[in-house]
Amino acid sequence: GAVVSQHPSWVICKSGTSVKIECRSLDFQATTMFWYRQFPKQSLMLMATSNEGSKATYEQGVEKDKFLINHASLTLSTLTVTSAHPEDSSFYICSARPAPYEQYFGPGTRLTVT
Amino acid sequence: AQKVTQAQTEISVVEKEDVTLDCVYETRDTTYYLFWYKQPPSGELVFLIRRNSFDEQNEISGRYSWNFQKSTSSFNFTITASQVVDSAVYFCALTFSGYALNFGKGTSLLVTP
Repeated sequence: GAVVSQHPSWVICKSGTSVKIECRSLDFQATTMFWYRQFPKQSLMLMATSNEGSKATYEQGVEKDKFLINHASLTLSTLTVTSAHPEDSSFYICSARPAPYEQYFGPGTRLTVT
Repeated sequence: AQKVTQAQTEISVVEKEDVTLDCVYETRDTTYYLFWYKQPPSGELVFLIRRNSFDEQNEISGRYSWNFQKSTSSFNFTITASQVVDSAVYFCALTFSGYALNFGKGTSLLVTP
């Protein structure tokens, strides 16, 4: 149990285009999901907290107009990178929280912007 | 503020050696949770352990063991008789109040035959 999926697992896009990444909790409901970003050889950094039915909360320094988050249901959160640029190339990982102190991570999405 | 420090950036050992990965944390909360994750080259995080602040018992799982000491704010991870498959980046993380995890910078472990 407690499986989180992400789609796509990797994506290559051209500079200036938008990319949508989906995060799904497959066998549980999560009112809260988190989006992390990991640059090569670095740690995971929290980008935003996604709450079902309300606006996401973004960490300092993360552009909310660039990284659009929609938590439309208790099992799905999406991250859209708008007008992507090469510096947005990174590994994006989501996690879902079915209960306090429990978090389950997705397998990650590797984004390359050319 | 919370902080997790993994002072060891990279460790290299020969197979069958024991290795300890250090984790020191800072928090003002009395209730918190500590985690260890393994991240192999594929990138997917593999959950290893979760420990709450009220449970200081050490834990052993096969070749893995964890030493939690609140007095020194440390949560160290030891791999006994390391194997090549243990090569990965290991992250220590901390959370409180059910918030997002605060990760350390990770320790890259290389086990050579």
